[in-house]
Amino acid sequence: SAVISQKPSRDICQRGTSLTIQCQVDSQVTMMFWYRQQPGQSLTLIATANQGSEATYESGFVIDKFPISRPNLTFSTLTVSNMSPEDSSIYLCSVGGTPTGEQFFGPGTRLTVL
Amino acid sequence: SQQGEEDPQALSIQEGENATMNCSYKTSINNLQWYRQNSGRGLVHLILIRSNEREKHSGRLRVTLDTSKKSSSLLITASRAADTASYFCATDEGFQKLVFGTGTRLLVSP
Repeated sequence: SAVISQKPSRDICQRGTSLTIQCQVDSQVTMMFWYRQQPGQSLTLIATANQGSEATYESGFVIDKFPISRPNLTFSTLTVSNMSPEDSSIYLCSVGGTPTGEQFFGPGTRLTVL
Repeated sequence: SQQGEEDPQALSIQEGENATMNCSYKTSINNLQWYRQNSGRGLVHLILIRSNEREKHSGRLRVTLDTSKKSSSLLITASRAADTASYFCATDEGFQKLVFGTGTRLLVSP
């Protein structure tokens, strides 16, 4: 399986600021996704990161709040904009498009907003 | 997509016992995947079962899928303290977008 890294692994941010999370894969992948896991909850898909075009957002998530870039087949960023305490979550990237259909996750970024 | 349900929400057993977790979902799926998460860290992929499969094994793991009942189960045999984690099922309903279940917290005591 692909090796996926995320930076930062955790951060504590002030209300109203923005944080950009990076996801790096050690091989080219066709599909990349971003998920959010709120405290004590399960995971929810934010968007599909499309290489060379705008991300596809799920219901309840908008580009102004969660802009996503994917400049190539190994890298993507998620920005959490104008943060509030409700944005405190673990943010995870994942990669798919494997021949077997499996999807693998990065180690996650734990974000706390004060 | 509506989130799947898992039960039990929490399970506490002794080492050596078996642990069974159940997952129910609401729509047609391409496959169902099980993941483990330790202490709020990243997800570890455990096993994938396709919609045309009924049972799959991997080491101490056994997964079943009943598409007529829209349900799956994960059995961990001869559990160990290191199996203590949260377990999630996730369904691929198309385009590889995963819909996660609510999760089961498993505690295995020595």
